[in-house]
Amino acid sequence: DAKTTQPPSMDCAEGRAANLPCNHSTISGNEYVYWYRQIHSQGPQYIIHGLKNNETNEMASLIITEDRKSSTLILPHATLRDTAVYYCIVRGRSNYQLIWGAGTKLIIKP
Amino acid sequence: DGGITQSPKYLFRKEGQNVTLSCEQNLNHDAMYWYRQDPGQGLRLIYYSQIVNDFQKGDIAEGYSVSREKKESFPLTVTSAQKNPTAFYLCASRDRNHDRAGNTIYFGEGSWLTVV
Repeated sequence: DAKTTQPPSMDCAEGRAANLPCNHSTISGNEYVYWYRQIHSQGPQYIIHGLKNNETNEMASLIITEDRKSSTLILPHATLRDTAVYYCIVRGRSNYQLIWGAGTKLIIKP
Repeated sequence: DGGITQSPKYLFRKEGQNVTLSCEQNLNHDAMYWYRQDPGQGLRLIYYSQIVNDFQKGDIAEGYSVSREKKESFPLTVTSAQKNPTAFYLCASRDRNHDRAGNTIYFGEGSWLTVV
């Protein structure tokens, strides 16, 4: 079973920040949180990952709560090309498998 | 360009036929993976390989087979024993050595398999 819980869908206006939540209440101390996105009929694309500190890269920011039981992916200025399914995944450093849920379908509206 | 190449993009299979999906990577990654994705669902692991000449079953290995004779290649055979093979298949790879991306998995563009 997936270790993460995400809303099935969300809308966001173009140019606004998109905030995608993820619950991972059973996360253990050495497990990382990864975010990927998948545009229809393409391979998933890596976005960002973190352990306990907030992270930022050229694509997004990742905010992890202090108890690490939830996180939020932030796309600061959403564009129409950000429309995709976003997956939040938890995995350990020695765990070679990722367990994928159904993700959140993010629709960016003009 | 470094990356993962899957072929073919679209493949049609007749009932009772075996088909092989190709996956090649030039990222020098040790670990490679095959996933299956059904419409509206997340990815499910079929097989994975952490090193040449070694591979392990994932969650849904029945009806599939793989080989890992070369580091850069990890072909997947969908056998006639797989009763519902129509799906989107994704190959991925990962560098087992830690780097700045922290063992990130990278994906190919996928292959659509349809049984006709």
